[in-house]
Amino acid sequence: DAMVIQNPRYQVTQFGKPVTLSCSQTLNHNVMYWYQQKSSQAPKLLFHYYDKDFNNEADTPDNFQSRRPNTSFCFLDIRSPGLGDAAMYLCATSRDLRADQPQHFGDGTRLSIL
Amino acid sequence: AQKITQTQPGMFVQEKEAVTLDCTYDTSDPSYGLFWYKQPSSGEMIFLIYQGSYDQQNATEGRYSLNFQKARKSANLVISASQLGDSAMYFCAMRGSLSNDYKLSFGAGTTVTVRA
Repeated sequence: DAMVIQNPRYQVTQFGKPVTLSCSQTLNHNVMYWYQQKSSQAPKLLFHYYDKDFNNEADTPDNFQSRRPNTSFCFLDIRSPGLGDAAMYLCATSRDLRADQPQHFGDGTRLSIL
Repeated sequence: AQKITQTQPGMFVQEKEAVTLDCTYDTSDPSYGLFWYKQPSSGEMIFLIYQGSYDQQNATEGRYSLNFQKARKSANLVISASQLGDSAMYFCAMRGSLSNDYKLSFGAGTTVTVRA
């Protein structure tokens, strides 16, 4: 089945130690997104790629970076994680940015900071 | 800018009964899409159903149906014959057609607990 796959499912890192979360898709969608979701809140968009074009949300901290080396893969890099970065990180894809296109999400990576 | 409002933080429903989750929205976009997602406690976000703003008929997808009232700007989700596996957080979301409205705007969510 075509899908969005996130690895790992759970990630533990130390305060200030860089961490990378990965996402891959077999849907061949043009757009890939990264969301941060804290407990009992709605997901918050960090950034998205339309093909190779990177679009950062205005309020995304500089600590968060992303890479999309090819259509299938997208990475979220947190350069110096702080305790406030502990959250669920969701990757999503969509065919394009049209209003009728749903976003398809992966299972998420739950990040803990020690 | 778009705004989604879900006024029910939590709901209880008896197994096999129907439940309606409220969603109202505000937008100046002439065309937009409305979506419902389910998020179980395990965390994955599952796409349930889509309604286009120009669709004449209400969307249905298995046990899920969307009660779309455009004039009232509401897009309520109806889950029929509730099952224990329906216990989850449900998010209403929308996406506009204007170039700056590509983002999926989410409501605060409604937690549904199905009782046996």
